[in-house]
Amino acid sequence: EVQLVESGGGLVQPGRSLRLSCAASGLTFRTYSMNWVRQAPGKGLEWVSYISSSSSSIKYADSVKGRFTVSRDNAKTSLYLQMNSLRDEDTAVYYCATEAGGSLLEYWGQGTLVTVSS
Amino acid sequence: QSALTQPASVSGSPGQSITISCTGTSSDVGGGYNYVSWYQQHPGKAPKIMIYDVTNRPSGVSNRFSGSKSGNTASLTISGLQAEDEADYFCSSYTSTSTRWLFGGGTKLTVL
Repeated sequence: EVQLVESGGGLVQPGRSLRLSCAASGLTFRTYSMNWVRQAPGKGLEWVSYISSSSSSIKYADSVKGRFTVSRDNAKTSLYLQMNSLRDEDTAVYYCATEAGGSLLEYWGQGTLVTVSS
Repeated sequence: QSALTQPASVSGSPGQSITISCTGTSSDVGGGYNYVSWYQQHPGKAPKIMIYDVTNRPSGVSNRFSGSKSGNTASLTISGLQAEDEADYFCSSYTSTSTRWLFGGGTKLTVL
């Protein structure tokens, strides 16, 4: 069974940092590209970041570019999102999702809540 | 970049069919890639993919769900509505800009 488990969320003050993790199991992690997608309370989905299977291609949404950094460790089957200079508007549930090719974001974690507030 | 445009809500009675539209631009939905997907999300749950690459259903998804695309607009059709179909639905498209994926604002489906 494929499992993606996000962790690292919590309450943080504006301007501070947080690091999210996504632990994968039940799949050949190194063959999947990965994405972070977030959802503000009561709002829609917003794509945040993408990293290819070998980390050779990385992309960010304009709203987080320069503040967030995505990385992965294929040996540890884990994905990470380093979030710096956090803002109120970064408050959301953050999901990691696999990308197998085309538009197939097939497996999603249960999400981890990040709350940015003073 | 602006999100894809979806109706805020649609409704239908059990057994009926409904269609949800998703309108973008020539840089995303209407571009040369047929990379449009649809997600179902029940309250408090993670999104679940229902359609990918415009028309394809992942294993385990009911054939009551189908997708199509014409120009800059993609559509999700659900036939034979059932109570458990009541959920939020989001479309997504690859974008040829410097980012990668765009999502629609979401459509709340109510089964009457």
